[in-house]
Amino acid sequence: DVKVTQSSRYLVKRTGEKVFLECVQDMDHENMFWYRQDPGLGLRLIYFSYDVKMKEKGDIPEGYSVSREKKERFSLILESASTNQTSMYLCASSVDSSGANVLTFGAGSRLTVL
Amino acid sequence: TQLLEQSPQFLSIQEGENLTVYCNSSSVFSSLQWYRQEPGEGPVLLVTVVTGGEVKKLKRLTFQFGDARKDSSLHITAAQPGDTGLYLCAGARRTGANNLFFGTGTRLTVIP
Repeated sequence: DVKVTQSSRYLVKRTGEKVFLECVQDMDHENMFWYRQDPGLGLRLIYFSYDVKMKEKGDIPEGYSVSREKKERFSLILESASTNQTSMYLCASSVDSSGANVLTFGAGSRLTVL
Repeated sequence: TQLLEQSPQFLSIQEGENLTVYCNSSSVFSSLQWYRQEPGEGPVLLVTVVTGGEVKKLKRLTFQFGDARKDSSLHITAAQPGDTGLYLCAGARRTGANNLFFGTGTRLTVIP
């Protein structure tokens, strides 16, 4: 069964801490994405990557950075966490970049910043 | 500004009832996807519709893509508690890796 795995399901951090969210996929997909999900706002794209070491800003990149050193791994970094970054973070991957991307999502990482 | 608006935002119905969820936009999409997200899990793809006017059926779920490819609907017949979840539509507007725009979501609760 193909998978996107987010290693941390629940995290509680303090304001100002550095936070790493890890995501690994085993499908050899080129594209990987980080979204945040908030009630009433749907999914908002933070960053995506279409190849190793390549990254592109999404709709809400402020306060976040990403790293993709290996094809299967895409990390989301919060350099200095703030309370407004409390949210559900979803990682996804896809293979088709020429037409309709079909995303495979991880189970999510729920981050609380105190 | 949301590109895709879903309605209703919340829906609570009794088991056995029928329901329709709408996904509307003023923009044209090359294709549209529907995902379902169960509590504690990530969204899972249900269907992709590509052609204007297309209708696809998945057991008790019927998906329709509008003729002008600006809107879509999801109809569930005889809802069951297992249908409970967050339903998300996502429209594809351009080629490339970042071409999906997600709707605001409809949270469905089916009461046994």
